[in-house]
Amino acid sequence: DAGVTQSPTHLIKTRGQQVTLRCSPKSGHDTVSWYQQALGQGPQFIFQYYEEEERQRGNFPDRFSGHQFPNYSSELNVNALLLGDSALYLCASSLVSLAGDPYNEQFFGPGTRLTVL
Amino acid sequence: AQKVTQAQTEISVVEKEDVTLDCVYETRDTTYYLFWYKQPPSGELVFLIRRNSFDEQNEISGRYSWNFQKSTSSFNFTITASQVVDSAVYFCALSETTPLVFGKGTRLSVIA
Repeated sequence: DAGVTQSPTHLIKTRGQQVTLRCSPKSGHDTVSWYQQALGQGPQFIFQYYEEEERQRGNFPDRFSGHQFPNYSSELNVNALLLGDSALYLCASSLVSLAGDPYNEQFFGPGTRLTVL
Repeated sequence: AQKVTQAQTEISVVEKEDVTLDCVYETRDTTYYLFWYKQPPSGELVFLIRRNSFDEQNEISGRYSWNFQKSTSSFNFTITASQVVDSAVYFCALSETTPLVFGKGTRLSVIA
């Protein structure tokens, strides 16, 4: 049973560029959440996708956008990169049960480490 | 507002010692979940436990145990007889709705 996978593992970009990160959820999961983890900090929620729509969003600017595909995989796009965007980006998948339990356990991927120079 | 505080930034213990990681949370909701995750150097967050706000029973899983006290808004994590493999960053997290709110983490180093 494949867990959450993310690509690429590492990425180096320069200020002003755009980046796309990818995530494949755990088999059977339909919901994907993205988190940003700066060095020495806990992960911070960026947004969550369910049924190909953004369901919830954290306190991140519009430069951060996403997409979910019919196979439940997801992309995180960041435009006009800033030095402060350097971080580990974590993808988490979960399953929204028929009961709509919002507290389902989230399984995390290994992350993509983005460095902005 | 939701907030999770892990006051211990770094802890260093000698192998076989017991160690407790503290977690204090703030929430106005009566229904919420608390979590602990382990993050080894590889970066992947590993789920350890989920506890809902209505269940204050302490839980033990092998060398791990958790003490949930609503009266003090704390959800502390104890590792008994620590091992080198326990070395990692441990995060406490709170969920009122699906997005998790994490603390800043506690880096645990277990020395052989």
